[in-house]
Amino acid sequence: GQNIDQPTEMTATEGAIVQINCTYQTSGFNGLFWYQQHAGEAPTFLSYNVLDGLEEKGRFSSFLSRSKGYSYLLLKELQMKDSASYLCAVPQGGKLIFGQGTELSVKP
Amino acid sequence: DAGITQSPRHKVTETGTPVTLRCHQTENHRYMYWYRQDPGHGLRLIHYSYGVKDTDKGEVSDGYSVSRSKTEDFLLTLESATSSQTSVYFCAISEPLAGGLSSYEQYFGPGTRLTVT
Repeated sequence: GQNIDQPTEMTATEGAIVQINCTYQTSGFNGLFWYQQHAGEAPTFLSYNVLDGLEEKGRFSSFLSRSKGYSYLLLKELQMKDSASYLCAVPQGGKLIFGQGTELSVKP
Repeated sequence: DAGITQSPRHKVTETGTPVTLRCHQTENHRYMYWYRQDPGHGLRLIHYSYGVKDTDKGEVSDGYSVSRSKTEDFLLTLESATSSQTSVYFCAISEPLAGGLSSYEQYFGPGTRLTVT
């Protein structure tokens, strides 16, 4: 079966760096996704990791350690518009299994 | 943006009435999914389809049925709506790519907010 854990809420200050963690337990592994979801909107794709290490995309980076069943999303130079829910998800048999999401609030 | 629409976008209905939600895509993607999203539960898969007339159950399929008679449309039906089915419903699509790293990347529709009174 699948088990995915993320913190429920986080708060950070504008301009700072925040790390959102995700741990998972899966039968088989086909990578890990991060999605961003603003309030009242649909989730949108942020990143996909299938190999260990850090992948950087502008202000956002995503890290994966397959041996530890662990990933994190790193957001740098936080902006108010980064206030959103961040969902990690793992594929399983043609489906995506989502964590509950981490609600990030960015304060001035 | 992927061409995915959902209709209706908002609906209020009474307990016991049938409700059908529609997802329409213009991307010709093979896989389609229906999720519900509730506070404290995240996104939970209701049903999914891996081709025309090929569907399967997700983790919260009780009380829901689906149909897919053509590639572009995936319908979700609540035969007799209950208050516990008040939720936001998202449709998603994906196209598995042979050997591709993004073989499970999903694109989401705008969502349907359903209230059952």
